This record gives sequence, C-alpha cells and structure tokens, in this order.
Amino acid sequence: AQSVTQPDIHITVSEGASLELRCNYSYGATPYLFWYVQSPGQGLQLLLKYFSGDTLVQGIKGFEAEFKRSQSSFNLRKPSVHWSDAAEYFCAVGPRTGANNLFFGTGTRLTVIP
Amino acid sequence: GAGVSQSPSNKVTEKGKDVELRCDPISGHTALYWYRQSLGQGLEFLIYFQGNSAPDKSGLPSDRFSAERTGGSVSTLTIQRTQQEDSAVYLCASSLVVSQGDGYTFGSGTRLTVV
Repeated sequence: AQSVTQPDIHITVSEGASLELRCNYSYGATPYLFWYVQSPGQGLQLLLKYFSGDTLVQGIKGFEAEFKRSQSSFNLRKPSVHWSDAAEYFCAVGPRTGANNLFFGTGTRLTVIP
Repeated sequence: GAGVSQSPSNKVTEKGKDVELRCDPISGHTALYWYRQSLGQGLEFLIYFQGNSAPDKSGLPSDRFSAERTGGSVSTLTIQRTQQEDSAVYLCASSLVVSQGDGYTFGSGTRLTVV
C-alpha cells in the first residue's frame, strides 16, 4: 500500500538558519514526488516536483529537494530560512501510470523565530 | 479562470442538514480532485473526476457523501445529514491529466463547521 511519512510534525528554526524537512515513502515503484506548501488560510502551492533525471531538483522560493532511491526519501531543504517561510509543508507521491492521484503525508508545520 | 475557485469559503451548518460545496477548476483541466483536511491531519483523498466520470470513489467516507461534475467543469460535493466529524477544510484541485504525474493546482478550500 502507498504511504507517505513525514516524521516531524512541527519544526522550529531561527531566521537565517538552514532547514531540512524529511519525507519517506512506500510505493510499488518509483513514483512522481512533490512538495507543497500551505500558508495559513491558503490553498496548497507546488514548491517542486521530481519526475526523472537529476535527483536534486530546484523549486520556487529557494527550496530544493533530493530524491534518494535507496532510502525512499525526498527531503526538502533550504539554506537560509526567511520568516515568510513559516507554513505547513506537505510531501506527496503520485503514480507514473494509471490513476492520476496524489497521496499526501500528514505535513510538517514550520515555525520561524527571529 | 486563472485559478481553482471554491465556494463558499466558509460554511457553518447545523448537524443533520445537507451542504453543497462547489469547485470551479482551471479552464481546460480535465481532472478534478476533492480532498479533506481535518484539524491536525494530512490531506485525505475523497474522489477524483476524469471529465465527468469518477473512476475512483474509494475515498468517500460514507454514503452521505456524493459528488458530481457537469460539462467537464464545475463540481459539487454534497454531504447529507452532516455530522460533527464532517467538520474540516474541503480542498479541490485540478490538473491536466494528459500529462501523467502533473502536479495539481489547489483552491483555497471551503472550511465546513458542523455545530
């Protein structure tokens, strides 16, 4: 069965510090991988996605993520966090064939302190 | 339109009443999805549409939930005889299904409160 695990429910970092949000997945085959961000009262916005090729993908707002097949992971990183990055972050996986549907993790809430 | 539009943005209803939630996807997007986000929970898949048909209804939590899509555009999610556990944010998304694995564009959601 498909599953997405985000082990950190809540992370607090200082502004300017680096950030890594963890995501592990269980899937029948290598899926498509996504990170979304949800600011308070807003819908989800796509940060980045991995389909194939280079395992380090760049996204918007200075975020990047690295796909590691051996670890079934797709961790999100940012070298220097800004106060505006405070939000909820969701990792998602989707099938390469068949039904076009995404499975989401339970999210990691990021708090940024001055 | 330019984005996915959901209405109403907020809905308070009494237990036992029926509610309808509306989603207007991006023009030309053939796939449409409904998710539910309960407090402190991740996104729970409810149903998706390919055109006007719903190949996968496995996520609907009970027979009180139904959804339809007409004209390959607007979708309505209906919850009958609402219960307090139905309180959540209901998110709609659309995508170009032609491109397999394409990411979704989400609406801002409808916050449903059952009192």
